[in-house]
Amino acid sequence: NAGVTQTPKFQVLKTGQSMTLQCAQDMNHEYMSWYRQDPGMGLRLIHYSVGAGITDQGEVPNGYNVSRSTTEDFPLRLLSAAPSQTSVYFCASSYIHLAEAFFGQGTRLTVV
Amino acid sequence: GIQVEQSPPDLILQEGANSTLRCNFSDSVNNLQWFHQNPWGQLINLFYIPSGTKQNGRLSATTVATERYSLLYISSSQTTDSGVYFCAVSPSNNDMRFGAGTRLTVKP
Repeated sequence: NAGVTQTPKFQVLKTGQSMTLQCAQDMNHEYMSWYRQDPGMGLRLIHYSVGAGITDQGEVPNGYNVSRSTTEDFPLRLLSAAPSQTSVYFCASSYIHLAEAFFGQGTRLTVV
Repeated sequence: GIQVEQSPPDLILQEGANSTLRCNFSDSVNNLQWFHQNPWGQLINLFYIPSGTKQNGRLSATTVATERYSLLYISSSQTTDSGVYFCAVSPSNNDMRFGAGTRLTVKP
């Protein structure tokens, strides 16, 4: 089992560029979510999905879009990158929301 | 929104020592999890523990939901225990809120 797979692991963007962070899970989990982690802080929820076709905003959604067309995939789109979006991004999944969460290895994003 | 406070923020131990990490939360929760982030950044789920006590080897956790706190115990610490320990709680909606973490350094 691959678990939760994130790509890419590292990315440098210029201000104003757009990109998509990929997240895939092979555990047939219904709940998937995206977090960002900034230095010295815990993780903050960006967006989440309770199942295919259903997404909702978390604590810090501005500047990010998501979609969930399949159970397996939950991409995160940065529409117009800003230096404030420099962070480490984690994708997570769980069988349902109130269940043990599994995290991907993270994507370190730098916006210059 | 719910507040999650972890203490201490930093902890330095000698190998073999025991430690207790604390997580306080400001409102009732449906879920509480403890995670370890290793020095390479990987997040590993240690315990799913909305209430009660669980043990896994040298680690154990206790959550007293009525008093809004959880404790993570590490016994006979090893250098591989180093990293950041996060507590995360889920209130009645669909999100999960993390504390700021406890950074543990275990010295040989």
